[in-house]
Amino acid sequence: GAVVSQHPSRVICKSGTSVKIECRSLDFQATTMFWYRQFPKQSLMLMATSNEGSKATYEQGVEKDKFLINHASLTLSTLTVTSAHPEDSSFYICSARALDSTDTQYFGPGTRLTVL
Amino acid sequence: RKEVEQDPGPFNVPEGATVAFNCTYSNSASQSFFWYRQDCRKEPKLLMSVYSSGNEDGRFTAQLNRASQYISLLIRDSKLSDSATYLCVVNSRGRRALTFGSGTRLQVQP
Repeated sequence: GAVVSQHPSRVICKSGTSVKIECRSLDFQATTMFWYRQFPKQSLMLMATSNEGSKATYEQGVEKDKFLINHASLTLSTLTVTSAHPEDSSFYICSARALDSTDTQYFGPGTRLTVL
Repeated sequence: RKEVEQDPGPFNVPEGATVAFNCTYSNSASQSFFWYRQDCRKEPKLLMSVYSSGNEDGRFTAQLNRASQYISLLIRDSKLSDSATYLCVVNSRGRRALTFGSGTRLQVQP
């Protein structure tokens, strides 16, 4: 199956700093990537849809100035959590949808962010 | 009301047991349905798609009832390795992102 990587897998940072998370599709091209967040014992919640070459579409309640998304190529999307606070601590997971896809999405392994 | 609802469990079953999970969805425009499996602190992995005619993959059987808007997953002959959280996932027409239920936790005991 298709492979999606995320980097870093785990990050611990101080409050007020910014953290960048990369999501790459390794063996296919993805016009659309999705960013989800999952708090403990809760479901994955969609944060935003990342479209190659255009602005991301954010879900209601997600601050676009705080969660900066860039989808510069067909294989890379980045999420930057700016001025991170402890309440941003969560499991961030990206997924990618192939160009010729039906509805199949391939998930990255996730990034666990801890803000002290 | 949540768009996708699942019983959170946990379901504690002995090895070899048969266990069934149900899920309901509220959006009648939903058109694609899946079961994902998520292990602790890992990403979700696709277990199987769900079709109206029902489909089976080894010990796993999935059913979709569009009229009642519910989806089921049946696991036969449970293994210890089946212990995980099972996520009911729906994709609605015109929406590219998936909508996840909160998951049902299964613990298979020796």
